[in-house]
Order: sequence, then C-alpha cells, then structure tokens
Amino acid sequence: QVQLVQSGAEVKKPGASVKVSCTASGYTFNSHYMHWMRQAPGQGLEWMGLINPTGTSTNYAQRFHGRVTMTRDTSTSTVYMELSSLRSEDTAIYYCVPEEPGAGWVDPWGQGTLVTVSS
Amino acid sequence: DIVMTQTPLSSPVTLGQPASMSCRSSQSLVHSSGNTHLSWLQQRPGQPPRLLIYKISNRFSGVPDRFSGSGAGTDFTLKISRVEAEDVGVYYCMQATQFPYTFGQGTKLEIK
Repeated sequence: QVQLVQSGAEVKKPGASVKVSCTASGYTFNSHYMHWMRQAPGQGLEWMGLINPTGTSTNYAQRFHGRVTMTRDTSTSTVYMELSSLRSEDTAIYYCVPEEPGAGWVDPWGQGTLVTVSS
Repeated sequence: DIVMTQTPLSSPVTLGQPASMSCRSSQSLVHSSGNTHLSWLQQRPGQPPRLLIYKISNRFSGVPDRFSGSGAGTDFTLKISRVEAEDVGVYYCMQATQFPYTFGQGTKLEIK
C-alpha cells in the first residue's frame, strides 16, 4: 500500500535551517505531485507548497517565498522540504502528502515531522 | 486566497446520534475542469489527517458509509449518520480548486 516515511524530529535554533525528507513507496512516485503542509501545536492545517512529479517546478505559498525550497530525488522516491531563517512560529508538525495531477484531493499523509525552533 | 469557514467549531454529540458540520468558501470552488475540489479530512487525536470525502460527496476508499458529503458552489456539509466513538477528532474541509490550497479552522467532534 501507499506509504510515506518522513525523517525524525528536529530541534533548531532561531535563524537556522531545517531539511525534512519524505520517502514514498507503494505507488508511482514519478507521476504524483507532492505537497507539504504544516500544523502548529494545537492549531489548524496550512499548505506550504508543492513540487511537480519531475521536480522541475514548484509552487510555494506566498508567506514562505524566499524561505522554503522543495526538491525531489526520483532515484530514491524521496522529496525534501528545506525551511530557512527559522523562527519560533515555525514550530510545527510538517507533513508530506501526494496528489495525482488533477485529482483535487490529497492522501495519504506522512506520519509528520516535528520541528521545534527554540533558543 | 480562498477563505474557508467552518461551523460549528465544536460539536458535542451523543453516541449513535447524527452529526453535521458546515463549510463555506469565500468564492465558488468550481474548477475550470467543471469539478469542485472540496474535500473533508478527519484528524484523530495524535494522528495525521486522513481523507474522508473528495469532490464534495465521494467517499474515499475504506471510509464507512455513515459519512456523507453534500453541497455546491460555496456551501458544503459533512454528515455522520450515527456517531461512533472512533469518530472523535477534528474535521477539516479543504479546497484544492485554486492555489494556495486552504483549510477551514476545523470542527472538533466530541462525545457528550
């Protein structure tokens, strides 16, 4: 079945960068977009952006422009999300989730990666 | 950005009774393809979200038939015909018609 395995929890200092990985299996990785979402503690869900199947195009939420970079390695079926200039408000669980082009829905969600930003 | 507004924010329900929650978008969610990309997600405590309903009313694989979605344009509803203990959690609507994808604030389903 479709499975997404994300990298482990991270603790970072303000101003640092974090890179979260998401390795997919059980479906045609090269034919799906991959989205990144995040959820601050006790809060709702927020879309961060996506990367296309070939890794040649990205679409980032305006609020993350200049701070987020999404990449993918098709040889290992892994996508990466790097967030720079971290601040305390970036403390959240980060999720990867695939979408078949044109489907208009996303599933399944990775297990999530907790990123804690603290001095 | 499309703003998604859910009501109520909290819904105490008796086991075996029905539950209903609403989601309203700030603009029509009809995509240029003719589809309406409105989904409902369930997030149980301590778990990642999971897809329940897509394109307004289509139940995702493995979702019990006590869950149903309806609506059109800007107004959408998720109904649970008979609430079970495992349904406790937060329910989010999500639009994927236009970037950025956006979510409602969530409706917390609790057992009375």
